[in-house]
Amino acid sequence: KNQVEQSPQSLIILEGKNCTLQCNYTVSPFSNLRWYKQDTGRGPVSLTIMTFSENTKSNGRYTATLDADTKQSSLHITASQLSDSASYICVVTPSGGYNKLIFGAGTRLAVHP
Amino acid sequence: DSGVTQTPKHLITATGQRVTLRCSPRSGDLSVYWYQQSLDQGLQFLIQYYNGEERAKGNILERFSAQQFPDLHSELNLSSLELGDSALYFCASSVGGGRDYTEQFFGPGTRLTVL
Repeated sequence: KNQVEQSPQSLIILEGKNCTLQCNYTVSPFSNLRWYKQDTGRGPVSLTIMTFSENTKSNGRYTATLDADTKQSSLHITASQLSDSASYICVVTPSGGYNKLIFGAGTRLAVHP
Repeated sequence: DSGVTQTPKHLITATGQRVTLRCSPRSGDLSVYWYQQSLDQGLQFLIQYYNGEERAKGNILERFSAQQFPDLHSELNLSSLELGDSALYFCASSVGGGRDYTEQFFGPGTRLTVL
């Protein structure tokens, strides 16, 4: 069964610190891997999209990496801000999947002052 | 603001009832997707429409149905509602039909509470 698993489930960090969120997937073959940010009660917002041939993609303080051999991805957040408090969701699209995204359960990040 | 609009924002109804959720995609987007997010769970893909036709189906119950109209807005109909149908329902839209590397833009969601 195609799955996307994320760790940790939740994370608390202090403002200004860095953190790394993990995503392991068994979807194969896959077309692309995305990271979304979802504020509580709101729709997800795209942070990065990587095809299977890309290793890294940055969007400001967010940097995603992808290792297609080990089926792992990470999202690194640099110099965290209070507004980074949200759920971060790893999403994989199977090849030929008509954009049928498979979502991880997310990592809930809380940034404290 | 993603440009995707959903109405209503909140909906409270009773078991056994039927409701309709509405979604207007971003201007120029031909695809509409529906997702369900239950409490503390990941989003589940329900169904996709592309330019008025059903393109892909996910974990959508038989009690649920959707359609996309000529003006490209979409409606998700939920019938014979059960307590377990309480969830956030998101609509997303994209330019392409899904075979390509295409970004999906999510609406703000409709929170459905079934009592």
